[in-house]
Formats: sequence, structure tokens, C-alpha cells
Amino acid sequence: GQNIDQPTEMTATEGAIVQINCTYQTSGFNGLFWYQQHAGEAPTFLSYNVLDGLEEKGRFSSFLSRSKGYSYLLLKELQMKDSASYLCAVMDSNYQLIWGAGTKLIIKP
Amino acid sequence: GAVVSQHPSRVICKSGTSVKIECRSLDFQATTMFWYRQFPKQSLMLMATSNEGSKATYEQGVEKDKFLINHASLTLSTLTVTSAHPEDSSFYICSARSKDTEAFFGQGTRLTVV
Repeated sequence: GQNIDQPTEMTATEGAIVQINCTYQTSGFNGLFWYQQHAGEAPTFLSYNVLDGLEEKGRFSSFLSRSKGYSYLLLKELQMKDSASYLCAVMDSNYQLIWGAGTKLIIKP
Repeated sequence: GAVVSQHPSRVICKSGTSVKIECRSLDFQATTMFWYRQFPKQSLMLMATSNEGSKATYEQGVEKDKFLINHASLTLSTLTVTSAHPEDSSFYICSARSKDTEAFFGQGTRLTVV
């Protein structure tokens, strides 16, 4: 079956760094996505990885290892507004998104 | 960048009526559009996939006669919730992609059936 695993909840301190991990097992692979979702809103696109390595975009970076079925989202210089759920999703061989359940990130002052 | 516009953002309807939600790709041709539903405290659930010009493919457990999807052009897909009931109240989100791009999401529609 297809499976995406990510931690349910994480807590971090304002100004610190946090890494949210995602492991996946899917039928085929056409890219891995990270989305941010604030309560009551639609998820917003953060990053897309299809090749191995690190993609950096401002305070956010995303890493992919296809051989390990593993990705992480790295958030630096955490701000209170970063408190949200972070969703990992993999596009399978049929170009459909397989979603993780999301990681709720709580930022404390 | 590419933008997907979803309309309306919020809608309240009476039980038994039908509601149509539109999803438009504004600056690219969306060969495939996806419709999702968000249950409280859960991840998005894929309801169906529609390819332009062909019938939508529904996920298991999704009633195709209740959730009508039309993808008549490369820039527009619609989801119609027919004979809505309070249990259909939810957050519906579309996403669109072309053959060469990642999926972009609409802003979502919050449906409340009273």
C-alpha cells in the first residue's frame, strides 16, 4: 500500500531551527511536496523536490533522498506565524498526490 | 507564478439544494485537476481526478452522482454537490496541474449546509 509518515506534532522555540521529517512508500514517484496549512485555510505550497538533494528557499529548505524514501523540511529563524500544520505529499506514478496526515508545529516564545 | 482560483470561498446553502464550486487555472492550461475534501483534524482526502475532456475518476467511497465533476476546458473544472446535506459541510479544495508543472492549489471553499 501507499504510506506517508510524519510526526503528529512538534514544538519549537521562536528563533530556533526545526526539522520535520517525512518518510514515504508509494507506487512510483513524481515528486515530493511540502505544504503549510494554517487552521481554517487551504494549504499553501512551500516546496517541491524531485531530485535528491537540498532545495533552499529563504528560511525554508527541503531535502529529498529517493533511495531512502525520505524527506525533511527545515525551518530556520522560527517566527510565531510559522505555527501551522506542515503537510508532506508525494505524487505517485499516476500523478496523484498521496498526503501525509500533517505535522502540527507549535512555536513557543 | 501559476495561480489557481477557486470560487466561492464560502457558501451556505439549505439542505436539499445543490451547490457548484468552480476551479480555474489563471495562467496555465490545467490538463489535470484534483478535488479534495478536508475533514476536521485530518489530512486532505482526494475525492476525484479529472482530465480535460474525459470523465472524472472517483476515489473509492466517493459518490459520483452526488459530487458531479466537470472539466470542460483546460482552465475550468467544477464540482457540484447535489442534494446537499449537513454532513456534506466541509472544506473543499481543488488543485490543478499541467503536464510539466507541480500541482497548485485553490484557496478552498468552505461549504456549510443548514
